[in-house]
Amino acid sequence: KNEVEQSPQNLTAQEGEFITINCSYSVGISALHWLQQHPGGGIVSLFMLSSGKKKHGRLIATINIQEKHSSLHITASHPRDSAVYICAVSETSGSRLTFGEGTQLTVNP
Amino acid sequence: NAGVTQTPKFQVLKTGQSMTLQCAQDMNHEYMSWYRQDPGMGLRLIHYSVGAGITDQGEVPNGYNVSRSTTEDFPLRLLSAAPSQTSVYFCASTFDRFYGYTFGSGTRLTVV
Repeated sequence: KNEVEQSPQNLTAQEGEFITINCSYSVGISALHWLQQHPGGGIVSLFMLSSGKKKHGRLIATINIQEKHSSLHITASHPRDSAVYICAVSETSGSRLTFGEGTQLTVNP
Repeated sequence: NAGVTQTPKFQVLKTGQSMTLQCAQDMNHEYMSWYRQDPGMGLRLIHYSVGAGITDQGEVPNGYNVSRSTTEDFPLRLLSAAPSQTSVYFCASTFDRFYGYTFGSGTRLTVV
C-alpha cells in the first residue's frame, strides 16, 4: 500500500462542473502539497497546507490532519484546468517528499 | 528569472554511457532533490541534499551519484546508463519542509 493514495486516478468533467480530487496518507507529515503538471510540462506548486483550508482563485485545498485526508476542489472548471494533479507530503522525519500517483483531469468544453 | 534550471531538456544515451544532469537554483534554497517520474508510479526520490556538502539517498539511488559543492548546484550523475533509467527527471528545491517546492522543467532521458 502506497503511503500517499489519490482518487480518482482519472476524471473527466464538462466545463463549469465542480471537481474534487482526494488524497489520503498514512505517515506523519509536516505539510501536504498539491502540484499541477500540464502535458509535456513541468510541475507547478499550487498549495502547501499544514492545517485548515487555502483558496487561490477557483482552486480550494483543505486538509484534515486527524483523518489524514486532503481534498483539492476546482470550482467552475475550464478546459485549461486539464492537467495531472499530484498530492505530495513532507514527512515529519525530514525534508523528503512522498508523492501520490496523480489524478489525470480532463475538462471538456 | 529566479527558479530552478535543469539542463539538458532531452537526452538519448547508449547503454553504458555516463552523463551528468545539471540542476541550478538562484533562490538560496538549502534543500535540493532529484526525482524520477515513470508512468503509473508517481515521482520517486533519487537523492537529496539539505545543504552544501551534505547529501543522502532517497528511494531509488542505485546507478546515480550526486554531490553538492555549492548551495546553487546539485548535479545528478548517471555512472553507466541502463535502459531502466529511461525516465523523466525533475530537480526541486525549497528552504525547508515548511515551505513550498520549486521544480525544474524536467529532463527526458532515453537509454537505448
